[in-house]
Amino acid sequence: EVQLVESGGGLVQPGRSLRLSCAASGFIFDDHAMHWVRQAPGKGLEWVTGIGWNGAGADYADSVKGRFTISRDNAKHSIYLQMNSLRVEDTAFYYCAKDIRPSIAAAGFNGFDSWGRGTLVTVSS
Amino acid sequence: DIQMTQSPSSLSASVGDRVTITCRASQSISIYLNWYQQKPGKAPKLLIYAASSLQSGVPSRFSGSGSGTDFTLTISSLQPEDFATYYCQQSYSLLFTFGPGTKVDIK
Repeated sequence: EVQLVESGGGLVQPGRSLRLSCAASGFIFDDHAMHWVRQAPGKGLEWVTGIGWNGAGADYADSVKGRFTISRDNAKHSIYLQMNSLRVEDTAFYYCAKDIRPSIAAAGFNGFDSWGRGTLVTVSS
Repeated sequence: DIQMTQSPSSLSASVGDRVTITCRASQSISIYLNWYQQKPGKAPKLLIYAASSLQSGVPSRFSGSGSGTDFTLTISSLQPEDFATYYCQQSYSLLFTFGPGTKVDIK
């Protein structure tokens, strides 16, 4: 059974940093791209960033570009999201999601077939 | 950037109804379109990928169609467990934009 478990969320002041982790199990981790998707309370889904099986292909939503960095450790079956210069508008549930494809490419039939339960990040003074 | 819109934003329907949700892209995305279902307090679930391919384990009452800029998700006979919010998502560009969602609730 595929399992994705996010951790690292919490309350943080504006301008500070936070690092999220996602531990994966139940599938061949190296065979799949991975993503972070966020959802502000009561709002819709926003794709944040994704990374290919080999660490390539990472891109970022304009709202986080230059502040967030995604990485992965295939040996630990984990991905990470380093979030710097946090803003109040970054407050959201952050979901880790598994891609059906190994790489991220334009027009690549990517889709997210497994999701974690999410971790809540609250940015407030 | 590719913008996604959905209509309606919400709808009320009864069990057994045929429900259709529309998604429109701001530019042609061929068939690079996915549909997700999200229930309150739960993570999203992939229903349809590549516009019309049913994800494994998803009931056949769900179907997707369309290409270019206009897409539809159809639920042929609404079941109690289908009351949820539905999102489309484009995978044509490297920024995997979601639509704003369509909430389906009980009439």
